[in-house]
Amino acid sequence: GAVVSQHPSRVICKSGTSVKIECRSLDFQATTMFWYRQFPKKSLMLMATSNEGSKATYEQGVEKDKFLINHASLTLSTLTVTSAHPEDSSFYICSARDPGRGPGGYTFGSGTRLTVV
Amino acid sequence: AQKVTQAQTEISVVEKEDVTLDCVYETRDTTYYLFWYKQPPSGELVFLIRRNSFDEQNEISGRYSWNFQKSTSSFNFTITASQVVDSAVYFCALLSSGNTGKLIFGQGTTLQVKP
Repeated sequence: GAVVSQHPSRVICKSGTSVKIECRSLDFQATTMFWYRQFPKKSLMLMATSNEGSKATYEQGVEKDKFLINHASLTLSTLTVTSAHPEDSSFYICSARDPGRGPGGYTFGSGTRLTVV
Repeated sequence: AQKVTQAQTEISVVEKEDVTLDCVYETRDTTYYLFWYKQPPSGELVFLIRRNSFDEQNEISGRYSWNFQKSTSSFNFTITASQVVDSAVYFCALLSSGNTGKLIFGQGTTLQVKP
């Protein structure tokens, strides 16, 4: 089945530094990937849609310069949290759409728990 | 506008009880898909089911069953004879044809099954 690998699973960083999170589709090509943020005991909030070879589409209220998304290949999308602050601490989840699985063929990564100290 | 509402924030049951998780959705599209996902404490999202808007047949998979009612815009999920391992957060989600592939999630229902 479709597998999406997200790395790292946990990361602790200091305020002001940048953190990169990777999302890879292992056995399919994903032209579209999605990045979500989840606060404790809250729902998944879509941050942006990542399209291979083009700029990401950000949801309203999401800072583009803060959350840099790059989708350089059909199997890899990265989310970089720049100049991280404690309020950026959260659980970040990516999903990749497998065109071969029809509408809604989404596979989710296992998530990255970011803690900014 | 598309929206998914899971009115039950938390549910607590004792093992072997049946439990139903409610999901109500809003969309103006005639073609859409509904999903249920399970999120255990480890955090990953586990796909449970996908249902398209043209198929109102209820579905059963082991202890899980789903009731899709277009008349009330609901897609409820029932776990029969619940087990401790069912403890998780459950999300209902909507994908509308006109929504460029974005899944809209409900707020989630935290299910706690006590032994």
